Amino acid sequence: GAGVSQSPSNKVTEKGKDVELRCDPISGHTALYWYRQSLGQGLEFLIYFQGNSAPDKSGLPSDRFSAERTGGSVSTLTIQRTQQEDSAVYLCASSSGDPGGTQYFGPGTRLTVL
Amino acid sequence: KQEVTQIPAALSVPEGENLVLNCSFTDSAIYNLQWFRQDPGKGLTSLLLIQSSQREQTSGRLNASLDKSSGRSTLYIAASQPGDSATYLCAVVHTSGSRLTFGEGTQLTVNP
Repeated sequence: GAGVSQSPSNKVTEKGKDVELRCDPISGHTALYWYRQSLGQGLEFLIYFQGNSAPDKSGLPSDRFSAERTGGSVSTLTIQRTQQEDSAVYLCASSSGDPGGTQYFGPGTRLTVL
Repeated sequence: KQEVTQIPAALSVPEGENLVLNCSFTDSAIYNLQWFRQDPGKGLTSLLLIQSSQREQTSGRLNASLDKSSGRSTLYIAASQPGDSATYLCAVVHTSGSRLTFGEGTQLTVNP
């Protein structure tokens, strides 16, 4: 079946603008994760959704970052008033929801803030 | 706080060689450990997942071992090929949550 998809694949924006990144998880997966991969920081967790539970937002670096998941499927990560340090690859993953289940990753969105 | 370390950071080998990548983690309270492959400009591909109760997992030329008590895992690649060239990442899931904590990765180059 189809894997995790993300859009856009690349996004170039100007400092101060807002951006939205989209993730379509694997059908039937109840858990959805956002990670960020940047030079010097490696791969870091941002936020986690599991079913109808309140999301784990503990990895969001600032209040400019937010995410929502509509209907238990598609998720959107929003970055407001982008800064140059937000430049990174944003990766989405989904899993069946079992604790410690395999996470399947999308191809990522490369964000460049000029 | 869980910390994951991978050694070496980079490795270059001739085709056909067997090789070992190392991963260590500081907190042994894990659900599992997962090895990923990342090709340049691409997302992560899951290679092997070892549950905390398991000692090893095998897939083709790949074998991953886990020693939870000592906080170590190794990924063994047999008869390496140029197509194995990529960055290999290990990650653990702590028993308190579902997020992955990643190492910095090992960049592998297999020369023809």
